[in-house]
Amino acid sequence: SQKIEQNSEALNIQEGKTATLTCNYTNYSPAYLQWYRQDPGRGPVFLLLIRENEKEKRKERLKVTFDTTLKQSLFHITASQPADSATYLCALDIHNTGKLIFGQGTTLQVKP
Amino acid sequence: EPEVTQTPSHQVTQMGQEVILRCVPISNHLYFYWYRQILGQKVEFLVSFYNNEISEKSEIFDDQFSVERPDGSNFTLKIRSTKLEDSAMYFCASSEAARGRGYTFGSGTRLTVV
Repeated sequence: SQKIEQNSEALNIQEGKTATLTCNYTNYSPAYLQWYRQDPGRGPVFLLLIRENEKEKRKERLKVTFDTTLKQSLFHITASQPADSATYLCALDIHNTGKLIFGQGTTLQVKP
Repeated sequence: EPEVTQTPSHQVTQMGQEVILRCVPISNHLYFYWYRQILGQKVEFLVSFYNNEISEKSEIFDDQFSVERPDGSNFTLKIRSTKLEDSAMYFCASSEAARGRGYTFGSGTRLTVV
């Protein structure tokens, strides 16, 4: 069966450390993988997109890796800040469809 | 920065009633979407819309749902006869391209069916 899985347990880290979130999928062939941030009661906010033929993408303190052999993406926030506390969603953009398939999200809590 | 605007932010309706959720996508975007999120669950795709027609819809998007772009700016989701299980956050989103671009989501309409 098709699955997209993110760590459902909350990730608690100290300010200044690097947060690493994981997204694993099975039985999908995504053309792109996207990461979003969602705050309580709000809509997802687009952060980064990585293509199937890209290994890594960076934007300021954010870095995404994409391994289509392992079927995994890692999302890193370096020098984390309390303002980074939110739920982070990965989403697959599948070949030949016009929709995103979302994971359930991982909640990150950055403590001062 | 351009935003996707959704109204109302909250809607309470009685079971069996019709509701219309409204969205104003970003003006130069061509692709429009509705997603929903039941409390504590994943964000789920409902429907995509391009060139004044539905391009894809999920199994959730049955005959009780419809979408419309009545003018050049609004994009609406109608739920004809609401059920308790339709209670959720409904998000409208738009994008510049069908593939390879991030989506801009609105802040959502919280629909409560009682």
